[in-house]
Amino acid sequence: DTAVSQTPKYLVTQMGNDKSIKCEQNLGHDTMYWYKQDSKKFLKIMFSYNNKELIINETVPNRFSPKSPDKAHLNLHINSLELGDSAVYFCASSPAGGLSYEQYFGPGTRLTVT
Amino acid sequence: AQTVTQSQPEMSVQEAETVTLSCTYDTSESDYYLFWYKQPPSRQMILVIRQEAYKQQNATENRFSVNFQKAAKSFSLKISDSQLGDAAMYFCAAMNRDDKIIFGKGTRLHILP
Repeated sequence: DTAVSQTPKYLVTQMGNDKSIKCEQNLGHDTMYWYKQDSKKFLKIMFSYNNKELIINETVPNRFSPKSPDKAHLNLHINSLELGDSAVYFCASSPAGGLSYEQYFGPGTRLTVT
Repeated sequence: AQTVTQSQPEMSVQEAETVTLSCTYDTSESDYYLFWYKQPPSRQMILVIRQEAYKQQNATENRFSVNFQKAAKSFSLKISDSQLGDAAMYFCAAMNRDDKIIFGKGTRLHILP
């Protein structure tokens, strides 16, 4: 009965590889997000989708591409992984895109690029 | 399992007044960190303040301070002299030694001019 789930929880890979992180929410929410948390615990928004439509696309290298097959899923695909991509990536969802709506966070995916 | 609860979905405060945002958490760990993040309309999450559980002294950062009650597992954020720029969503979070961080659902803070 997990509200927001992410897979995998841990991902260790080599530079240059392509990897995907999956996110699913069973809350019926319209909006989903991807955040990147760096080693200093700063959490930066990367993307936001509302009903499968991209509404926020921050300055992120185009090696990162979000994909939303339906409104319950928002996957993050990363091409040509670099050392600096190592971080914890959080998925979140909210009932709508407005800032007044609470967000439900997933458990995070720790990506380590070697 | 570790949980973080913010019981106030929304709060309002008059400019220049003081407001306290509540947060309770549940963990079986003895060593952990607690955080408050601010999310303004830009959607970026800004780390406001952090507290190490082993420190008894409450953390302070300018107008922001916390009331850390370890026995009660309470970690409230006090904002003094509220300013219009403080309007945002505020997230409480807890992190264990294994670096796993859990977020609360957020409290929307309105500043009334």
